[in-house]
Amino acid sequence: DQQVKQNSPSLSVQEGRISILNCDYTNSMFDYFLWYKKYPAEGPTFLISISSIKDKNEDGRFTVFLNKSAKHLSLHIVPSQPGDSAVYFCAASALGNQFYFGTGTSLTVIP
Amino acid sequence: GAGVSQSPRYKVAKRGQDVALRCDPISGHVSLFWYQQALGQGPEFLTYFQNEAQLDKSGLPSDRFFAERPEGSVSTLKIQRTQQEDSAVYLCASSQKGTSSTDTQYFGPGTRLTVL
Repeated sequence: DQQVKQNSPSLSVQEGRISILNCDYTNSMFDYFLWYKKYPAEGPTFLISISSIKDKNEDGRFTVFLNKSAKHLSLHIVPSQPGDSAVYFCAASALGNQFYFGTGTSLTVIP
Repeated sequence: GAGVSQSPRYKVAKRGQDVALRCDPISGHVSLFWYQQALGQGPEFLTYFQNEAQLDKSGLPSDRFFAERPEGSVSTLKIQRTQQEDSAVYLCASSQKGTSSTDTQYFGPGTRLTVL
């Protein structure tokens, strides 16, 4: 039973444009959400997080939006750069330490 | 280095062999987590330690899987009598605090286990 879903396995974007990665979840108890970035043969690297008390968190080129009523979050990267090409995982947790991960979206930024 | 390290990075085992995977968390981090990542999937939770105490092992798929962290720092994930379905990348993560849902987990590079 997949509690966190990333329905787009891949995404291609032109350099300089906006990349939008989407994530949906089913558990209304989730209160903390994160995005991780993963390069081949490396572990996931923390990118940005958001608490359920907020609807937006921004860090440089990266912004995460949370829509609790829709149980949806998204990661915006603008402007996209070739070095952003990686697999992006969203993750969620509910009042505890176990994180539930989505299946990932592979982003390719075309120079 | 200051990050989470794991060894070995790659392990090939024959079906039925026992394997031991090691994780060195970030120094001073209280919490340590093990995840299993199958090909094309996201990481799936296996077990969690706070210091030396194993507080949650609900994700361990069978009694062939065993994890320990005897001194509250280095952890070992042991898989007995390996099966082909155990082939995956095993990720270790650590976080600074104890029980807190808002604490970021930092991941190691993983150990890719292949069972033949």
